[in-house]
Amino acid sequence: AQSVTQPDIHITVSEGASLELRCNYSYGATPYLFWYVQSPGQGLQLLLKYFSGDTLVQGIKGFEAEFKRSQSSFNLRKPSVHWSDAAEYFCAVARYSSASKIIFGSGTRLSIRP
Amino acid sequence: DARVTQTPRHKVTEMGQEVTMRCQPILGHNTVFWYRQTMMQGLELLAYFRNRAPLDDSGMPKDRFSAEMPDATLATLKIQPSEPRDSAVYFCASGPTDPSEAFFGQGTRLTVV
Repeated sequence: AQSVTQPDIHITVSEGASLELRCNYSYGATPYLFWYVQSPGQGLQLLLKYFSGDTLVQGIKGFEAEFKRSQSSFNLRKPSVHWSDAAEYFCAVARYSSASKIIFGSGTRLSIRP
Repeated sequence: DARVTQTPRHKVTEMGQEVTMRCQPILGHNTVFWYRQTMMQGLELLAYFRNRAPLDDSGMPKDRFSAEMPDATLATLKIQPSEPRDSAVYFCASGPTDPSEAFFGQGTRLTVV
């Protein structure tokens, strides 16, 4: 069964600093991988997705993520965070087939220090 | 601007009452997901549909929960009878068939007292 682990429950970084949020997945074949962001009281918004091809994926709001098959990881990065990036971030995985169910990690809450 | 629409946004009900949550998926999407979000459990997949047919509802308590898609523009999640432990935010999401991804609605915040 597919699963996703986000080892960091809460991370605080200073505004302007770089960010890396960790995500590890468990699945026996090539997965679909996603990062979503959730602001308080809102639904989830897709930041980026990996289906195939280039392992470095660019997303919205200046985020990127790198798929590393050997490490079963899909870490999210941003070179310089802004106060508006404070939110909850979810990594998710789906099977590499159509209409597959999407399983989410437990989330990482990001706080920004002024 | 295409979006997933959920109604109601907030619902407070008494224990034992029936609750129905509705979702209008994005036009043209044929995959619909229902998720429940709580502090303790995070985001749990309750059920998902493709072309209105349920593909997997193993995450849903069968004794009180039911999910249906009466037509391509409406998905419903019903709880009968509701219990305080059902208090959560329920999200509907829709997606295209292949490759699958999910576009989320704003959620229904359910409080059962």
